[in-house]
Amino acid sequence: KNQVEQSPQSLIILEGKNCTLQCNYTVSPFSNLRWYKQDTGRGPVSLTIMTFSENTKSNGRYTATLDADTKQSSLHITASQLSDSASYICVVSDRGSTLGRLYFGRGTQLTVWP
Amino acid sequence: EADIYQTPRYLVIGTGKKITLECSQTMGHDKMYWYQQDPGMELHLIHYSYGVNSTEKGDLSSESTVSRIRTEHFPLTLESARPSHTSQYLCASSKRREGSYEQYFGPGTRLTVT
Repeated sequence: KNQVEQSPQSLIILEGKNCTLQCNYTVSPFSNLRWYKQDTGRGPVSLTIMTFSENTKSNGRYTATLDADTKQSSLHITASQLSDSASYICVVSDRGSTLGRLYFGRGTQLTVWP
Repeated sequence: EADIYQTPRYLVIGTGKKITLECSQTMGHDKMYWYQQDPGMELHLIHYSYGVNSTEKGDLSSESTVSRIRTEHFPLTLESARPSHTSQYLCASSKRREGSYEQYFGPGTRLTVT
C-alpha cells in the first residue's frame, strides 16, 4: 500500500530558529516528491519538487533533501519567520501515472512564536 | 499564485439542501481534481477529470457528483447535504512540468452542514 508518513505531527519553535521536518514514504514506483505549504484556510502551495536523482534542493530558506534508497525526505527551514506558521505536507507521486496521482502525508503543523 | 478559483470560500447550510461548489481555472489545464480534507488529516481524492466530458471517482467514496462541460470549469454537487459532508473541499488542476504533473490548488471551500 502506498503511504506517506510525516513527523512530527506538530512543532512549535521561536522566531529565528531552525527546524527540520521528516517524511517517510512507501510509494512505488517513485516518480517525485514535493513539499507543500498550506496556510490555514488556504490550498497547498508547492515549495520544492525532487526527482529520483536529486539529493538536495533549496528554495530560499527552505531546503529539501531526498534519500531514495531509504525512502526518506526532510524539509529544513532556516531562520524561521512568523509567516512560516503553516502545515507542511509531503506529497509523493508514482511513476507512469497518466493521472498525475499524488499521495499525501497528513502534514506537520508548524507554529512560529515571536 | 495559481489562477484557480473556488466559490464560495465558506458555506454553512442545513441538512437536505442541494449545493454546488464551483471551481474554475484559467490556465487551460486538462486535468482537474477534487479533494476532501478534514482537520489534521491528509487530502483524499474524491473526483478527477482528464478533460471535457471525462469524470472519474477517486480513492475516497463520496456522495457528491461532478461535471466537466468546459475545460475551465469543474463544479461539484451534493444533492442532499448531510452533517457527515462537513469538511474542506479543495479543487486542483495540473500540467506536466519537469517530467511529472504539477498540481495547482484553489483556496478551498469550507463546508459546514448543520
